[in-house]
Amino acid sequence: DVQMTQSPSSLSASVGDRVTITCRASDSINRFLNWYQQKPGTAPKLLIYAASTLHGGVPSRFSGSGSGTDFTLTINGLQLEDFATYYCEQSFFVPRTFGQGTKVEMK
Amino acid sequence: QVHLVESGGGLVKPGGSLRLSCAASGFTFRNYYMNWIRQAPGKGLEWLAYISYSSTYTNYADSVKGRFTVSRDDAGNSLYLDMTSLTAEDTAIYYCARQPDYSNSYFDHWGQGTLLTVSS
Repeated sequence: DVQMTQSPSSLSASVGDRVTITCRASDSINRFLNWYQQKPGTAPKLLIYAASTLHGGVPSRFSGSGSGTDFTLTINGLQLEDFATYYCEQSFFVPRTFGQGTKVEMK
Repeated sequence: QVHLVESGGGLVKPGGSLRLSCAASGFTFRNYYMNWIRQAPGKGLEWLAYISYSSTYTNYADSVKGRFTVSRDDAGNSLYLDMTSLTAEDTAIYYCARQPDYSNSYFDHWGQGTLLTVSS
């Protein structure tokens, strides 16, 4: 199975900060990389698919980049509603696999 | 508006069986792949299974292969997960999630989840 490793596992940030989360795949996955946001007690929501395509309704402060094995999720100008846990997921191989998550907490 | 509602979770004894359901509305259910994904308490996400449109293809994670079966009823807009030989490690929130198709391989809508607890 392809292992997805996110870093950091958690981070502390303030409103307005630029936040960067990285995701590394143990094998090349082309651009088959998706990002999800999950808030406590709720289901994950799709943010970005195919490494850099913003899902409908997702604010433009979210962006994604990367290909092959290394990917990045960036939040430009963190908002109060962005404090959550973020997961990457590869969809190139079966089984689909997720990163362990990155919790973005308030500083 | 896309709506996915899971049901059927609860408390089951180890070795027991259970069927989870996912009722879909707000879109043409038969045109989409569907998936089951779970999340153990305080843990990350684990993909379990998918079923293609027309039920042509299914695939499973090794952790549930041979114990879980995914199926769908396109006429009733419903997705199912039949689970057998349950263990404590299966305790989790179970989500159904929509996938546009095999190529557009992302989970664009999720249900709210249903909690399964396996305990004696």
